[in-house]
Amino acid sequence: NAGVTQTPKFQVLKTGQSMTLQCAQDMNHNSMYWYRQDPGMGLRLIYYSASEGTTDKGEVPNGYNVSRLNKREFSLRLESAAPSQTSVYFCASRKVRRGLNTEAFFGQGTRLTVV
Amino acid sequence: AQSVTQPDIHITVSEGASLELRCNYSYGATPYLFWYVQSPGQGLQLLLKYFSGDTLVQGIKGFEAEFKRSQSSFNLRKPSVHWSDAAEYFCAVGFKPPQGGSEKLVFGKGTKLTVNP
Repeated sequence: NAGVTQTPKFQVLKTGQSMTLQCAQDMNHNSMYWYRQDPGMGLRLIYYSASEGTTDKGEVPNGYNVSRLNKREFSLRLESAAPSQTSVYFCASRKVRRGLNTEAFFGQGTRLTVV
Repeated sequence: AQSVTQPDIHITVSEGASLELRCNYSYGATPYLFWYVQSPGQGLQLLLKYFSGDTLVQGIKGFEAEFKRSQSSFNLRKPSVHWSDAAEYFCAVGFKPPQGGSEKLVFGKGTKLTVNP
């Protein structure tokens, strides 16, 4: 079982460059999440999606866009990277349904450095 | 606004001592509650979860947590800590925003555990 797969695992960007972080899950989960992790800040929610075609802003959405084109995939895009976006990014998925909630399953993370 | 608070940034205990990590949340209803652990450079592993029912839940690696509705708390405990428990621990809460929308999953800032030999 692959679970939640994130690509790439590492990336270095120059300020102003754009990139898309990819996330795919094979557990038939409806909800997917993007977090960033910074020292002392825990995991902060960037965007989340309850189902394909729907997305909601989390705690720190500025500078990011997301796309949930199908049930499996949820991508995070940085249009113009800034050094403040240097972080470790985690994707997660979860089943959220009346009486059938699960815990969140996480990818291995993407370590992004913006110089 | 809904929030999750882990009051202790860093805790140090001796091996064999008991451990309690605190987690408080702010939400009008009973949320879904989780504890995750992260070892350095690693991903997140679920320790335990609470959805409903018995307020004392057992998890992996000898951990347990107790949900106290009156205190809006979900504290993590272990009777005897092992050196391998040194890691960062995160409390997470799933809830529906009162203004509507889909359920979000929010994490506390974490508690780093150091275990002395």
